[in-house]
Amino acid sequence: GQSLEQPSEVTAVEGAIVQINCTYQTSGFYGLSWYQQHDGGAPTFLSYNALDGLEETGRFSSFLSRSDSYGYLLLQELQMKDSASYFCAGGTGGFKTIFGAGTRLFVKA
Amino acid sequence: NAGVTQTPKFRILKIGQSMTLQCTQDMNHNYMYWYRQDPGMGLKLIYYSVGAGITDKGEVPNGYNVSRSTTEDFPLRLELAAPSQTSVYFCASSHPTSDYLYEQYFGPGTRLTVT
Repeated sequence: GQSLEQPSEVTAVEGAIVQINCTYQTSGFYGLSWYQQHDGGAPTFLSYNALDGLEETGRFSSFLSRSDSYGYLLLQELQMKDSASYFCAGGTGGFKTIFGAGTRLFVKA
Repeated sequence: NAGVTQTPKFRILKIGQSMTLQCTQDMNHNYMYWYRQDPGMGLKLIYYSVGAGITDKGEVPNGYNVSRSTTEDFPLRLELAAPSQTSVYFCASSHPTSDYLYEQYFGPGTRLTVT
């Protein structure tokens, strides 16, 4: 089947660095996106990897390794406002996006 | 630009009732999507559209129907509502010149309860 696996929860301290992993099992895998969702809100786009390697956008970076069926989102200089759920999303072509179940990040002071 | 708008924000339906969830985008995006999100879970694709008059099923289409008569609007129809359709529904859109996985813009969601 097609699935993306993420840890359910991660806790980190303000100012620290945290990595959220995503492993996938999809046939014809297309690429990996990351979205942030605050409680009661809509998902907002963070980053996208179409190719292997690291993409950096401000405090957020995302990495993809197709050979390892693995990606991660790296958040640096954590702030309290980063407390949210983070979803990886993959595609298998034909516009069918598949989301992971999400990782809830708790940032402590 | 308002982006992606959805109405209503909240709705309670009785079992067997029907309703239409409205979605409109003003970004001239060809690609539009409907997702549902159950508590503590990720989003599951219900239906998607690559342009006016073209729609296709996603991962969980049963119990739903869509239409796309204009670029801007992509309504989702629930027929014979069931408790299993209690969820938060998100509409999204993306630009056709970008990879469809890149930056889907989401509406604020419709919280639906079926009792």
